[in-house]
Amino acid sequence: GAGVSQSPSNKVTEKGKDVELRCDPISGHTALYWYRQSLGQGLEFLIYFQGNSAPDKSGLPSDRFSAERTGGSVSTLTIQRTQQEDSAVYLCASSHTGQGGHGYTFGSGTRLTVV
Amino acid sequence: QKEVEQDPGPLSVPEGAIVSLNCTYSNSAFQYFMWYRQYSRKGPELLMYTYSSGNKEDGRFTAQVDKSSKYISLFIRDSQPSDSATYLCAMSASGGSNYKLTFGKGTLLTVNP
Repeated sequence: GAGVSQSPSNKVTEKGKDVELRCDPISGHTALYWYRQSLGQGLEFLIYFQGNSAPDKSGLPSDRFSAERTGGSVSTLTIQRTQQEDSAVYLCASSHTGQGGHGYTFGSGTRLTVV
Repeated sequence: QKEVEQDPGPLSVPEGAIVSLNCTYSNSAFQYFMWYRQYSRKGPELLMYTYSSGNKEDGRFTAQVDKSSKYISLFIRDSQPSDSATYLCAMSASGGSNYKLTFGKGTLLTVNP
């Protein structure tokens, strides 16, 4: 597609439930990133994929968070046993290899609300 | 102290004003400096990118980096209502970790017609 596509755009879930957030990057972009934007906080790095492997998972806040990428394309971020503090906008970005941060294209995000 | 500090505003200016936005940082390893614009309920979009120190101009936008002071700025000339958005500064180190951006919290700007 022309841009980075994320789904769903909004998700309301009950505390304790699992959620899956999807990211479809720009075709041909081998690098994919997940960030979280909480109210009053800046964007926080979660995880970086190069192809299907994740050389940097250092930003995942707990073992309830996991992510995978298949076929060098679509990525899924899974949050298990959601907590209220997980409420945030989850943003995905992709880039060509080697462009670094200035080559990012962000999606519009998934707004997650845990009630 | 956070690695990147940015005044969250909000900042409200009349149309046509010159806007100055800035960030300070503490990590001397940062070499790449970016400004993103984020409209409500949208993802950030890259406005300006600068490597190391210096100035860069693109139309009504000028980005400045002063590495000796660990201070970056974005100037918007002849501001327009369509510039109303949140402006985020972002930085990354060189080398193998240049993919990882550290963001400021963002400054909310409103340009009034």
